[in-house]
Amino acid sequence: DQQVKQNSPSLSVQEGRISILNCDYTNSMFDYFLWYKKYPAEGPTFLISISSIKDKNEDGRFTVFLNKSAKHLSLHIVPSQPGDSAVYFCAASGRYGGSQGNLIFGKGTKLSVKP
Amino acid sequence: GAGVSQSPSNKVTEKGKDVELRCDPISGHTALYWYRQSLGQGLEFLIYFQGNSAPDKSGLPSDRFSAERTGGSVSTLTIQRTQQEDSAVYLCASTQRDEQYFGPGTRLTVT
Repeated sequence: DQQVKQNSPSLSVQEGRISILNCDYTNSMFDYFLWYKKYPAEGPTFLISISSIKDKNEDGRFTVFLNKSAKHLSLHIVPSQPGDSAVYFCAASGRYGGSQGNLIFGKGTKLSVKP
Repeated sequence: GAGVSQSPSNKVTEKGKDVELRCDPISGHTALYWYRQSLGQGLEFLIYFQGNSAPDKSGLPSDRFSAERTGGSVSTLTIQRTQQEDSAVYLCASTQRDEQYFGPGTRLTVT
């Protein structure tokens, strides 16, 4: 049974518009969440993270929102750029900090940003 | 500086053969993870090394899988008697604080 779910396998957005990628989790013990971006033939790269003591974290064009009561987080990219086209993975951990606990990953959402 | 490197980048092997996958983490990173990504699946945790502590092997799918980390640096993932379901991209990551840095992966195909 999946503990981290990304229910949309793909998303297509026009350049300049907002991209919203969603992630749901089932384990209430998760307290640290991360987003990774992956280009074809490359390993995933860390994008942004949020701990459960926050409900929002912003870094440039990327913002992650956490709704603990709904066990839901989302990644907003605004404005979207063609170079953002990649597979985005949501990940969760049971202890703060990836080095302290195993990350559980979702299946990923493939984002396509059209010029 | 140099990132995480993995070798080989691609490996095709016959069912029943053993394979070794290598990971060179970023120098100074104490934690190292192995994951695999099967077609259409998310990243699946396999094993985790932290410093000199006993590794967390809870993600290894069977006793055909094993991993070592020598001298706290280079790690080798060994799959014995490979099966077709072992075909996947095997990713290694080393960790600095709360960020994981992934290697490019080894694509393993078992025919």
